[in-house]
Amino acid sequence: EAGVAQSPRYKIIEKRQSVAFWCNPISGHATLYWYQQILGQGPKLLIQFQNNGVVDDSQLPKDRFSAERLKGVDSTLKIQPAKLEDSAVYLCASSYVAGGLDEQFFGPGTRLTVL
Amino acid sequence: EDKVVQSPLSLVVHEGDTVTLNCSYEVTNFRSLLWYKQEKKAPTFLFMLTSSGIEKKSGRLSSILDKKELSSILNITATQTGDSAIYLCAVSNAGKSTFGDGTTLTVKP
Repeated sequence: EAGVAQSPRYKIIEKRQSVAFWCNPISGHATLYWYQQILGQGPKLLIQFQNNGVVDDSQLPKDRFSAERLKGVDSTLKIQPAKLEDSAVYLCASSYVAGGLDEQFFGPGTRLTVL
Repeated sequence: EDKVVQSPLSLVVHEGDTVTLNCSYEVTNFRSLLWYKQEKKAPTFLFMLTSSGIEKKSGRLSSILDKKELSSILNITATQTGDSAIYLCAVSNAGKSTFGDGTTLTVKP
């Protein structure tokens, strides 16, 4: 079974630039998550999709972050404009079911450095 | 606001030692508690606990949930250098998962 795919693996940009990350979940997984993990901290949920609908985006900084999951499969997370404090690893995860009753499978992450 | 606190923040042991990692939580509408191991890359799943008092075991690792105390422990016996990693605890309600900041375990030869 193929795992969660993410690209790019690394990205370096200057502040105020924009950046986009892509995620392709495991086939058949209805739920997709985007997390931000700052060094030394645990993953923080940014947005959760169930198919192509948003379940939770309460911690997404909506003035600069946006995400979509067209057709309920792959997803894109965008930051525009980036700030220094956005430097982190962005993890995408998927699960077969939602509701806290299933493990999440994580992709390798995208390490973002904002200079 | 949902909250997950892990302790200790870091731990250094020698091969063969036994370690106990702690996770305590405050969450509305608790559904499950999950443990993940994170090495250099993405977290990988270890255990999911939903019922109090039932131990989950996999090789040298085991975990148990105490819903009365709102906590869980992860035990690793006969530690090996390959156990060096960050161990993350996550608590899920019906809507989302909240992660703790992890315990960094270093196992020295």
